[in-house]
Amino acid sequence: GNSVTQMEGPVTLSEEAFLTINCTYTATGYPSLFWYVQYPGEGLQLLLKATKADDKGSNKGFEATYRKETTSFHLEKGSVQVSDSAVYFCARSLGSARQLTFGSGTQLTVLP
Amino acid sequence: DVKVTQSSRYLVKRTGEKVFLECVQDMDHENMFWYRQDPGLGLRLIYFSYDVKMKEKGDIPEGYSVSREKKERFSLILESASTNQTSMYLCASRKQGGGETQYFGPGTRLLVL
Repeated sequence: GNSVTQMEGPVTLSEEAFLTINCTYTATGYPSLFWYVQYPGEGLQLLLKATKADDKGSNKGFEATYRKETTSFHLEKGSVQVSDSAVYFCARSLGSARQLTFGSGTQLTVLP
Repeated sequence: DVKVTQSSRYLVKRTGEKVFLECVQDMDHENMFWYRQDPGLGLRLIYFSYDVKMKEKGDIPEGYSVSREKKERFSLILESASTNQTSMYLCASRKQGGGETQYFGPGTRLLVL
């Protein structure tokens, strides 16, 4: 089937720590992959994306690389900040309207 | 900037009521989507629309219907609300052929009593 599996949270880190949130997907065809972020009390915002194998998406110090061989799109950041505290969703798009399938979300809390 | 608005941030309804959730986007996007967000389940696609008067079932359409009479507006209808439809509902839109990104509204938190 088509699904997205995301590392379960919650994740709590100290400021300046290294962050990894794992994401793997299954899909027939050639999906695009996304990380969306939801800050407290707000809607979802696109954080980064990659549309083909070996592409690296990056934004605000976050990075993720589309790995077709491992069907993964892990999110990383070298030094997290308190302002990064949010829920992070991995997603893949497929289909004629490029509809999204989301992972379950990972709550990240960064402590000062 | 793309703007997607939803008619209400919070709604409280009674079991059996008919509920309308409205979504409007201002960027002439063809594709529109309705998701529900539940803890531990992420977002799940309820219905989507390729364009005006077109609609397709998503992964969890049971208990819902939709209407797309105008390009900018996509309505989600709960024909007879039930307590298991208590959730956060998120609308999104996307430009057909204009890239992969979907733009989300702020969400409507619905409580069905």
